[in-house]
Amino acid sequence: GDSVTQMEGPVTLSEEAFLTINCTYTATGYPSLFWYVQYPGEGLQLLLKATKADDKGSNKGFEATYRKETTSFHLEKGSVQVSDSAVYFCALSRDQGGSEKLVFGKGTKLTVNP
Amino acid sequence: NAGVMQNPRHLVRRRGQEARLRCSPMKGHSHVYWYRQLPEEGLKFMVYLQKENIIDESGMPKERFSAEFPKEGPSILRIQQVVRGDSAAYFCASSPSQAGYTFGSGTRLTVV
Repeated sequence: GDSVTQMEGPVTLSEEAFLTINCTYTATGYPSLFWYVQYPGEGLQLLLKATKADDKGSNKGFEATYRKETTSFHLEKGSVQVSDSAVYFCALSRDQGGSEKLVFGKGTKLTVNP
Repeated sequence: NAGVMQNPRHLVRRRGQEARLRCSPMKGHSHVYWYRQLPEEGLKFMVYLQKENIIDESGMPKERFSAEFPKEGPSILRIQQVVRGDSAAYFCASSPSQAGYTFGSGTRLTVV
């Protein structure tokens, strides 16, 4: 079945450091790919998405490119801030008879120190 | 326009009791999804509902769990005879069609 594998955390960086969180997926067909962010005690917020190969999603300085050849959707940010500290989830969805349920990775906890 | 509202935010139940979790989707949204997040895990899909219909319940445990989304009122996730392993965060998400989820803040269920 469909699955998402993302790098295990926790990840600890200093402010202004470069961030990469790896994500690879297994799915039949052409899934849509997502990154969600979860701040402590809150629900998930969509960070960015890409719906087809070579698409680049971007938001708030974060970027991820849909790479079909490597089945990857790595999250990057050039200069992290303390406010970026959160748990990041990679996810995919495939339309299966009208149900677009999401399949999530286990999450990567990011802590950014001043 | 209020977001997806879930209540209660925190729920404590003793083993064997029933837990009822409520989700009010965003105005105009007719699709509701429920997910469960176990400690240190990602979210796992449970069920997808439209008004008065269960569309996909492939992630629901076969026993003790049920969900509904009536014509009027919130969607309800019901867990009968709770056990310690049911302790988790339960998230609801809604969408206006088949794309673009908005998640609620979740209900954290603790079974003691």
